[in-house]
Amino acid sequence: NAGVTQTPKFQVLKTGQSMTLQCAQDMNHNSMYWYRQDPGMGLRLIYYSASEGTTDKGEVPNGYNVSRLNKREFSLRLESAAPSQTSVYFCASSEWGTNQPQHFGDGTRLSIL
Amino acid sequence: QKEVEQNSGPLSVPEGAIASLNCTYSDRGSQSFFWYRQYSGKSPELIMSIYSNGDKEDGRFTAQLNKASQYVSLLIRDSQPSDSATYLCAVPPYAGKSTFGDGTTLTVKP
Repeated sequence: NAGVTQTPKFQVLKTGQSMTLQCAQDMNHNSMYWYRQDPGMGLRLIYYSASEGTTDKGEVPNGYNVSRLNKREFSLRLESAAPSQTSVYFCASSEWGTNQPQHFGDGTRLSIL
Repeated sequence: QKEVEQNSGPLSVPEGAIASLNCTYSDRGSQSFFWYRQYSGKSPELIMSIYSNGDKEDGRFTAQLNKASQYVSLLIRDSQPSDSATYLCAVPPYAGKSTFGDGTTLTVKP
């Protein structure tokens, strides 16, 4: 059982380039999330999708867009990467509104030069 | 104000000692609470869930919840060097907010 799968695991971009981080879960969860975690800092919510067909902004959405492709997949896009977006990105999934925990993927380590 | 606040740490204990990690939360309506362990360079891993007042034990780990005080703690008995990690306290997500504490880094010294 794979749980939450993120691709790629590592990526180096140049300023201004675009890319899409992929996330897929096989736990039949309704809700999915994208976080970023910077050194010495906590998890900051970028966007979330409470259910298929809906997406909402989190605390730090600027510079990002998301797509909930179907119940399993939730992608994060950087349209014009900036050095300030260098971070580790985590995707998570859970059941919304049922007091259940989130489950995380292994993360994508993104460096923007 | 963050939804969940944790002792900033870092916390250092000798091998075999009890490590105590603390967390407070702001939403009195929260019904469930989670502890995650995050090793350096890895993703958060769920280690404990607690839903009612009192203690919940799982091996060397005990979670304690006091809803009246809006306080939750994690005790690690017989701490091992392999317990060295950052521990995150969390409540279920809502309203577009990150509901994780910033974490407490624990070091267990042999």
